[in-house]
Amino acid sequence: DQQVKQNSPSLSVQEGRISILNCDYTNSMFDYFLWYKKYPAEGPTFLISISSIKDKNEDGRFTVFLNKSAKHLSLHIVPSQPGDSAVYFCAATYNAGGTSYGKLTFGQGTILTVHP
Amino acid sequence: DAGITQSPRHKVTETGTPVTLRCHQTENHRYMYWYRQDPGHGLRLIHYSYGVKDTDKGEVSDGYSVSRSKTEDFLLTLESATSSQTSVYFCAIRRGTSGLYEQYFGPGTRLTVT
Repeated sequence: DQQVKQNSPSLSVQEGRISILNCDYTNSMFDYFLWYKKYPAEGPTFLISISSIKDKNEDGRFTVFLNKSAKHLSLHIVPSQPGDSAVYFCAATYNAGGTSYGKLTFGQGTILTVHP
Repeated sequence: DAGITQSPRHKVTETGTPVTLRCHQTENHRYMYWYRQDPGHGLRLIHYSYGVKDTDKGEVSDGYSVSRSKTEDFLLTLESATSSQTSVYFCAIRRGTSGLYEQYFGPGTRLTVT
């Protein structure tokens, strides 16, 4: 049972345009969401996160939107740059009184290619 | 840089042999995690630790064991390697405790089981 899904395996965008990466989840207990970026032969790098008490979080060119009723989150990158080309993973976790130990459940990843 | 190193970075081994991967951190964090990354699956949690000698199973723990005898080291052992365990293995630490869930990853170990 895939609790976190990224249904688009790949996305191609022109430099300067907006990149929108999507993620859906099924577990209603999830209350904290994260995005990671991964370059080949490197470990994933934390990008941005959002708590379920918010619907938007912004950090420079990166904005994450959360729609709890639809169990959907998205990552917007504006403007997109060639250096943003990487695999992007969304992840989710829950607190549950501290018993979750911060375990993350990841989506399958989306390969973003930004063309010059 | 989260001060995480993994060793070895690459390993080729034969089916049926035991293999141990090491994760070392320099920042004294309580929580440590082992994930594997496979195409079409993203990252999946194998085992995690919430303190010295405190470990528990993750989503895909069959065939793996872990040990944490000191804060800085978290070892992952494949008791008898199989071809299905060919993967890239990542270790991660969690810097915060309550309310902070960001994990920071090491560079990974690419394991090939022939």
